[in-house]
Amino acid sequence: EAGVAQSPRYKIIEKRQSVAFWCNPISGHATLYWYQQILGQGPKLLIQFQNNGVVDDSQLPKDRFSAERLKGVDSTLKIQPAKLEDSAVYLCASSFPTGATDTQYFGPGTRLTVL
Amino acid sequence: GENVEQHPSTLSVQEGDSAVIKCTYSDSASNYFPWYKQELGKGPQLIIDIRSNVGEKKDQRIAVTLNKTAKHFSLHITETQPEDSAVYFCAASKTGRRALTFGSGTRLQVQP
Repeated sequence: EAGVAQSPRYKIIEKRQSVAFWCNPISGHATLYWYQQILGQGPKLLIQFQNNGVVDDSQLPKDRFSAERLKGVDSTLKIQPAKLEDSAVYLCASSFPTGATDTQYFGPGTRLTVL
Repeated sequence: GENVEQHPSTLSVQEGDSAVIKCTYSDSASNYFPWYKQELGKGPQLIIDIRSNVGEKKDQRIAVTLNKTAKHFSLHITETQPEDSAVYFCAASKTGRRALTFGSGTRLQVQP
C-alpha cells in the first residue's frame, strides 16, 4: 500500500512570496490533516478535512494560509504572503476513521525555508 | 485545549540498555495515545498506540503504559539498538476531536 505523498520536498522562498504544497493521502482515507512542525517542536494541527469538508481550522492563520481538498482526495495548502516565522516542515497525514479515534499516517513533509 | 508535556528532551543510552520516555496530558477526556518515531528528514512513523480502556500494550521490544488517574503514559524500549536512535513524540486525542496534540519530542541516542 502506497503511503502519503507530498510535494515538493523542499522549498526556499523570499518573505512576502507565495507558496503551495500538495498532498495525496492513502487511498480510501477520508480524513486528511495538515500539521506544521517548527524545528525542535512537535507537529501542530493547522487544518483537518473530512472528505472535502473542513472539520477543524481553528489554528489556521487564515489571513495568510488557505487549504482546500477538492473531490475529497488530494489537498493543497497555500501561504500568501509568507513570513519568516513560517519556516517549518509542513506535514500531511491521513486516516480511515474507525471507531472513536483514528490512526494517522504521515507523509515525508515539505521543508519550507523563508528568507 | 489539550496540553501534552514530554520528558526528557534528550536521552542517551548504551546499546542493550532500556530507555523510558514519559508524557503527561491535561484533558481527562483524551482516550487515544500514539507514539511516533521521526528520523531525520522523514515524517513521523507510528510505532505503538494505546487506548484508554487498556493499561499496557507491548510489541516486541516496545511497550507503552497508561495511568489514566495520573494522566500520564510512558514508552519503554528494551534492548536498545543503534537504529532506535531518532526523535520520539507522544501524542493524545479524544473522541470528537481526532486531531493529535503532540509532545515536544525526545531525542534518543543509542551509543554502540
